[in-house]
Amino acid sequence: DQQVKQNSPSLSVQEGRISILNCDYTNSMFDYFLWYKKYPAEGPTFLISISSIKDKNEDGRFTVFLNKSAKHLSLHIVPSQPGDSAVYFCAASISGTYKYIFGTGTRLKVLA
Amino acid sequence: NAGVTQTPKFQVLKTGQSMTLQCAQDMNHNSMYWYRQDPGMGLRLIYYSASEGTTDKGEVPNGYNVSRLNKREFSLRLESAAPSQTSVYFCASKTSGGHGADTQYFGPGTRLTVL
Repeated sequence: DQQVKQNSPSLSVQEGRISILNCDYTNSMFDYFLWYKKYPAEGPTFLISISSIKDKNEDGRFTVFLNKSAKHLSLHIVPSQPGDSAVYFCAASISGTYKYIFGTGTRLKVLA
Repeated sequence: NAGVTQTPKFQVLKTGQSMTLQCAQDMNHNSMYWYRQDPGMGLRLIYYSASEGTTDKGEVPNGYNVSRLNKREFSLRLESAAPSQTSVYFCASKTSGGHGADTQYFGPGTRLTVL
């Protein structure tokens, strides 16, 4: 049973436009969420996170929105750049545990 | 600063062979993790170690064993490799035991093929 879902395997966006990556979760106990970016032949790198006590967190061009009632989070990248082309994973965790559950990833391609 | 290192980078095994994947971190992190990444499956947690001296099962522990050798090192062992264990394996580490502002740092991965 996939507790964290990324239903779009891929996304293409023009350079300079907004990229929106989506993630849904089923476990209401999750209270901390993260986004990771992964380039080919490299390990994932942390991008941005959000606690369930917030509904938005911003870091430069990256903003994560959390809608707890819908069990949905999204990552907005504005403006998108060709260097943003990568696979993006969302992950979720529960307070007091050490485990992170990852989604299946969305491959973003930013077209120049 | 090396961060999280993994050896080997690539490995080919025959069914039934054993091997150990090595992971080391130089960030003085308490928690360490092993994941596997398969196409369409994302990253799945195999085992983790919340702190030195402890290990716990993740989502897909069958066929694997781990050893937290010391604070720096966390190894993953395949006792009798199977083709279903063909995957890319990532090690990660994290500062504190719980979550919060801390995040996981990943190694570059080990690509394992079992024939």
